[in-house]
Amino acid sequence: DQQVKQNSPSLSVQEGRISILNCDYTNSMFDYFLWYKKYPAEGPTFLISISSIKDKNEDGRFTVFLNKSAKHLSLHIVPSQPGDSAVYFCAASPQTGANNLFFGTGTRLTVIP
Amino acid sequence: DAGITQSPRYKITETGRQVTLMCHQTWSHSYMFWYRQDLGHGLRLIYYSAAADITDKGEVPDGYVVSRSKTENFPLTLESATRSQTSVYFCATQDRGPYEQYFGPGTRLTVT
Repeated sequence: DQQVKQNSPSLSVQEGRISILNCDYTNSMFDYFLWYKKYPAEGPTFLISISSIKDKNEDGRFTVFLNKSAKHLSLHIVPSQPGDSAVYFCAASPQTGANNLFFGTGTRLTVIP
Repeated sequence: DAGITQSPRYKITETGRQVTLMCHQTWSHSYMFWYRQDLGHGLRLIYYSAAADITDKGEVPDGYVVSRSKTENFPLTLESATRSQTSVYFCATQDRGPYEQYFGPGTRLTVT
């Protein structure tokens, strides 16, 4: 039973354009959300996070939006660069407890030069 | 300073064998985690530890054993490997609080 869902397994975007990666969750107890980026043969690396008390968080070219009522978050990358080509995982966590992360299945982003 | 390391990076073993995957951190983070990554499932939590000598089950613990006698080490043992345990295994650490987790490079395990 996947509590965090990424329904698009892949996305292709032209260099310079906006990439939008989407994520939905089912557990209303989730309070903290993260995006990870993963290159082949490497571990996931943290990209950006957002707490449920916010609806937007920006870090350079990366912005995460959270819509709690819809249980939906998205990652915007502007402008997209070829080095952004990777698999992106959405993750969610309740702030209480042991800080377990529940991951989505990932979206493979390809940025075309 | 490597931060978090995993060994071996690649392992092939036979069904029924015991195999141990190692994880070592240099940060002294309180929390350590073991995940497996499988196509169609993303990353799933196997076991986690809040401190030395404190461990708990995650989403998919069956067939795995962990221990944490020292803060910096968190080995994962497959007592009798099965083909369904063929996967990529990631160790991760986290400092106290709702902060991000830091992942190791992974161990690709194949059970034949």
